[in-house]
Amino acid sequence: QTVVTQEPSFSVSPGGTVTLTCGLSSGSVSTSYYPSWYQQTPGQAPRTLIYSTNSRSSGVPDRFSGSILGNKAALTITGAQADDESDYYCVLYMGPGIVVFGGGTKLTVL
Amino acid sequence: QVQLVESGGGVVQPGGSLRLSCAASGFTFRTYTMHWVRQAPGKGLEWVAYFSSDGTNTYYADSVKGRFTISRDNSRNTLSLQMNGLRGEDTAVYFCTRDARVVYFDIWGQGTLVTVSS
Repeated sequence: QTVVTQEPSFSVSPGGTVTLTCGLSSGSVSTSYYPSWYQQTPGQAPRTLIYSTNSRSSGVPDRFSGSILGNKAALTITGAQADDESDYYCVLYMGPGIVVFGGGTKLTVL
Repeated sequence: QVQLVESGGGVVQPGGSLRLSCAASGFTFRTYTMHWVRQAPGKGLEWVAYFSSDGTNTYYADSVKGRFTISRDNSRNTLSLQMNGLRGEDTAVYFCTRDARVVYFDIWGQGTLVTVSS
């Protein structure tokens, strides 16, 4: 069974840039997997950031961007702010009835 | 406004059943594929099931296949999840979410907590 992989944790300095990735245990992530990204703080519902690889959801600031980097999907945050400290999840569509979330990345801003 | 509100969570014994509901408002419910996603305490998000917008296809994660049934009532703008044979590992907050494109979950409910415990 294919596993969607994410870095368990990452840290970034305020004002810095960080790139989180979303890969596969076997194979490469491409746009045909429609990678999307979600931000979640404890006790809250997820917030949609990016869909279809690189489209920003309504109201999401342009310092959040999505792309394919090598064989992975990527979420880049530029000019990191304190309230970016959250859990970040990617999800891939791998065919009819196959929707898989990554394990999530806990981002610390310090 | 566009909104999803889940209900029906609670405490149930192992092997028991529970039915979750998700009331949709503020949009044309019948035109959207709808999903259930869950999150066990302290864990990540896990996709559970979805019901296609055309009303013909339902899909399930392997972890719930054969035990959970997703349904929708477009006349009442309601998505449901019938959960049978519940196990401890089903303990989670269950979210319903709207799919605006392909796995573009643009609207989320606040979630409802299901606890499976004796």
